[in-house]
Amino acid sequence: GAVVSQHPSRVICKSGTSVKIECRSLDFQATTMFWYRQFPKQSLMLMATSNEGSKATYEQGVEKDKFLINHASLTLSTLTVTSAHPEDSSFYICSARDKKREGYNEQFFGPGTRLTVL
Amino acid sequence: LAKTTQPISMDSYEGQEVNITCSHNNIATNDYITWYQQFPSQGPRFIIQGYKTKVTNEVASLFIPADRKSSTLSLPRVSLSDTAVYYCLVVLPGSSASKIIFGSGTRLSIRP
Repeated sequence: GAVVSQHPSRVICKSGTSVKIECRSLDFQATTMFWYRQFPKQSLMLMATSNEGSKATYEQGVEKDKFLINHASLTLSTLTVTSAHPEDSSFYICSARDKKREGYNEQFFGPGTRLTVL
Repeated sequence: LAKTTQPISMDSYEGQEVNITCSHNNIATNDYITWYQQFPSQGPRFIIQGYKTKVTNEVASLFIPADRKSSTLSLPRVSLSDTAVYYCLVVLPGSSASKIIFGSGTRLSIRP
């Protein structure tokens, strides 16, 4: 149980294009999902908290107009990197919190998406 | 901003017990302590979670002293496949209930 998937697992795009990454909770409902970014040999950095049916909460320094987050259902959140540039190349990881276990501070992580911007 | 502190790296050998300690001086009363394992190019994987004293599951034990300002992850009889980065997490005081911050993690290398 508690499986989170991400699609795509890898994406290569040209500078200036937009890329959408999907995060799905496969066997549970998630009112809260999180998006992280991880550069090589570094820790995960929280980018934003995605709440179903409402606007995402972005961490300081993360541009909300560049990283568009949509949490339209209890099982799907999407992150769109708009006008991507080489410095946006990173490993993007999502996580989800089980709606039924909100009080346990558990997060179930997806396998990550490797974005390379040429 | 409070954060967790862990050793940057540790080395050990197959079959040994490995203990990784994390400091979290500003832990809040209702916070839980959670440890994750991450392999390269994969998302973190839950290992264990605890609130106080000792918690044990099939892969690890977690020791938390009474003041809860630190915790120790214990991996019994490690193997080569335990080579990974280990993260200690607590919910930071003053943040929203749902937000957690990853520290730098401990890069554990197991040798034959």
